[in-house]
Amino acid sequence: EPEVTQTPSHQVTQMGQEVILRCVPISNHLYFYWYRQILGQKVEFLVSFYNNEISEKSEIFDDQFSVERPDGSNFTLKIRSTKLEDSAMYFCASSAVAYEQYFGPGTRLTVT
Amino acid sequence: KNEVEQSPQNLTAQEGEFITINCSYSVGISALHWLQQHPGGGIVSLFMLSSGKKKHGRLIATINIQEKHSSLHITASHPRDSAVYICAREYGNKLVFGAGTILRVKS
Repeated sequence: EPEVTQTPSHQVTQMGQEVILRCVPISNHLYFYWYRQILGQKVEFLVSFYNNEISEKSEIFDDQFSVERPDGSNFTLKIRSTKLEDSAMYFCASSAVAYEQYFGPGTRLTVT
Repeated sequence: KNEVEQSPQNLTAQEGEFITINCSYSVGISALHWLQQHPGGGIVSLFMLSSGKKKHGRLIATINIQEKHSSLHITASHPRDSAVYICAREYGNKLVFGAGTILRVKS
């Protein structure tokens, strides 16, 4: 069964450093998403991406965040200058048109 | 105000019991999702509903659009059903998540 994959599974970085989280969505899906979950809190939407552009973003997704689909398979989330409060689990998801979203296993980001 | 409210927050059941988790939302939706989050953190989509009822194995999801309410039922619950069950409303191109219901099924 096809699945969404994410790398790395755990990333530790120092405050102020740039991080790139990587995702490989399911190959025939057209919609891509990033969500985050701070420990003990609910999952929050960050951004959705369709047709090579952002279709919607939340107020969390400020100028420190960017997304890219650099080739036909990868979908990346970049945080330019990490803060302590960026520590969270980051989930990538993908979907076909009007179908359920498939989630990756997540990347745990720890900012020290 | 959280746009998606779930109840109960925590639920402990004995194996074999019928379980109901409720979800209410305050604004319009294009679809309502039920997801399961395992202790390790992984998220699995269970149902996507825009009307009526869906069934998959021992899981049943219903939605009442007029009342802005959905329920997830688990029949003949089993310890392997222990997880966090999350309701999320879809509007536009995003999901807005509830806080989740922590379910523990004891043998």
